[in-house]
Amino acid sequence: AQTVTQSQPEMSVQEAETVTLSCTYDTSESNYYLFWYKQPPSRQMILVIRQEAYKQQNATENRFSVNFQKAAKSFSLKISDSQLGDTAMYFCAFMNRGAQKLVFGQGTRLTINP
Amino acid sequence: ETGVTQTPRHLVMGMTNKKSLKCEQHLGHNAMYWYKQSAKKPLELMFVYNFKEQTENNSVPSRFSPECPNSSHLFLHLHTLQPEDSALYLCASSQDFNSGAGYGYTFGSGTRLTVV
Repeated sequence: AQTVTQSQPEMSVQEAETVTLSCTYDTSESNYYLFWYKQPPSRQMILVIRQEAYKQQNATENRFSVNFQKAAKSFSLKISDSQLGDTAMYFCAFMNRGAQKLVFGQGTRLTINP
Repeated sequence: ETGVTQTPRHLVMGMTNKKSLKCEQHLGHNAMYWYKQSAKKPLELMFVYNFKEQTENNSVPSRFSPECPNSSHLFLHLHTLQPEDSALYLCASSQDFNSGAGYGYTFGSGTRLTVV
């Protein structure tokens, strides 16, 4: 079974700083997808960024980028120029290609301080 | 507008009550999901529906009964719940897995359920 581990329960940085959230996963599959979701106090899970395992290039979405290390099964999220609105729970998630089940990590609570 | 709408937003129910959670999407998705989010635990997948057919029941107790009358609507019927069932229940939708599940899910804002 696939597992996703986020080792940082909480993180806190100052506005405009760069922060990196860690995620590792365990799978025997070679084709899969990885995601970072954001859950603000409004509770809605919002897709931040997506990575296809067969693509070596790291995904980027504006201030959000990932460091995907397939051999190490690591998928970290970097937030540049952090903003107060980035304060939220962040979840790393995994899905096998051709499957429907999205497996989540435990989440990291990120606080951006003014 | 999230694309996936869940009602009610909050629900308090007694252990002998019967209630239902509702989820609705108009994104043209064919797969819908129920997740349970408890404090300090990873999100737990409960049920998966693909083209109205249940394709996964993740060992969920029978006091939770899902219903999917069409690809746009999903219900979770609740009866004789326990206090430990108190949680945030999230609904999500996606394209069916043959065409695009790799693009992730679209989630609703959840129903905060408290069982007293």
